[in-house]
Formats: sequence, C-alpha cells, structure tokens
Amino acid sequence: AQSVSQHNHHVILSEAASLELGCNYSYGGTVNLFWYVQYPGQHLQLLLKYFSGDPLVKGIKGFEAEFIKSKFSFNLRKPSVQWSDTAEYFCAVFSNQGGKLIFGQGTELSVKP
Amino acid sequence: EAGVAQSPRYKIIEKRQSVAFWCNPISGHATLYWYQQILGQGPKLLIQFQNNGVVDDSQLPKDRFSAERLKGVDSTLKIQPAKLEDSAVYLCASSLGPEAWETQYFGPGTRLLVL
Repeated sequence: AQSVSQHNHHVILSEAASLELGCNYSYGGTVNLFWYVQYPGQHLQLLLKYFSGDPLVKGIKGFEAEFIKSKFSFNLRKPSVQWSDTAEYFCAVFSNQGGKLIFGQGTELSVKP
Repeated sequence: EAGVAQSPRYKIIEKRQSVAFWCNPISGHATLYWYQQILGQGPKLLIQFQNNGVVDDSQLPKDRFSAERLKGVDSTLKIQPAKLEDSAVYLCASSLGPEAWETQYFGPGTRLLVL
C-alpha cells in the first residue's frame, strides 16, 4: 500500500535557524508531491507542490523542497525560520495509480523567538 | 473569494448517537472531499465526489458513515451510530477538478468528540 512517512513528529528551533523536514513515500510510479501547512487556528493550506521539471520547488514564505526520485524523498527546507513559521506541516503524495492524496502524519514545528 | 465553509465547528456526542456535518465548497468547484483526521495523524480521505457522483468511497466505513452531495454543491456527512474511535476532526475540501494539479482548498473542520 502507498504510504508517506515524515521523520519528525515535533521539531523545536530558534529563530534564524535552518529547517529541514523529511518526507519519504513508498510508491514507485509517477507521483505528484505536496507540502501543506496548518498555522494555529487556521485552515490547512498548500505550501508548495511538485509535478515535473526542476526537482527544486519554491513555495510561499521562503520555503522550498527538493524531489529526489532515487531516494523517494521530498524534503522541505527553509534557510532561516521565523516565529511565524510555527505550524504543523504535512507532506502528501498523489499517485496516478491511487488517484487520491495520501498524507503523512505531520510534523509540528515550534519556533522560539 | 469565500473559502470552504463547514458547520458545526465542534460537536460532542455520546457513543451510539448520530451526528451530521455540513460542507459548502468554493463556488464552481466540481470536486468535493471529506477527510478524517485523527489526533496525531494526517488527513485520510473518506469520500470524494465529482459533482453529485461518488468517485471514491473505498475508505468510508459504510456500515455507519454515509455522505451525499445533492445538486452537486453542498454536502453532508453522517455517522450513525457513532463509536469512540470516530473522535476526530472531519475536514471538507474542494477543488475545480479531480486532477492532481488542481489545488485542494480545505475548510476549518468539525472537531467531533464521542464520549
């Protein structure tokens, strides 16, 4: 069965620290990859997505993610986090075979001011 | 542009009772999704509608859950009878179409607690 695994459940960083959140998926065919974010008290919203082309994808608020096909990974990065980045981050995969979004379990990011 | 609306925002019921959730998608969005998010987990798709037809309900526990999307706009999700393990946030999302590249827009969710 297709699955998405996020390496960390809770990450705590100080402002200006660099961020990398891991995401691995199990499906070997054509996939589309997403990162969603849920800020405290807000809706789940799209941060960035990858479909094809350049494996380095840039999203909103300075976030980027790199698709590494050989490693089945789509890690999220940000060079310098801010207190306002405190949120829960979800990696998701849409496979043409399954035809639906499959989410990871989420990573809670806490940024200390 | 108005977002996806859901009601109620919170619901507390006792096991074996019934409950219904309502969703109003973004205007013009043909595809509507219901997800279940249990604490500590990511959202899991329960059912997907394309207009008023069901596309995927493979993970919907059909012995107790039902959903409909009359007229291809609003949708309701019902649980009858509820079990303790149904405690979760129920998210509604909509998109222009079912394709992977169509962004799914999520509502605020309904937080259900079954006692």
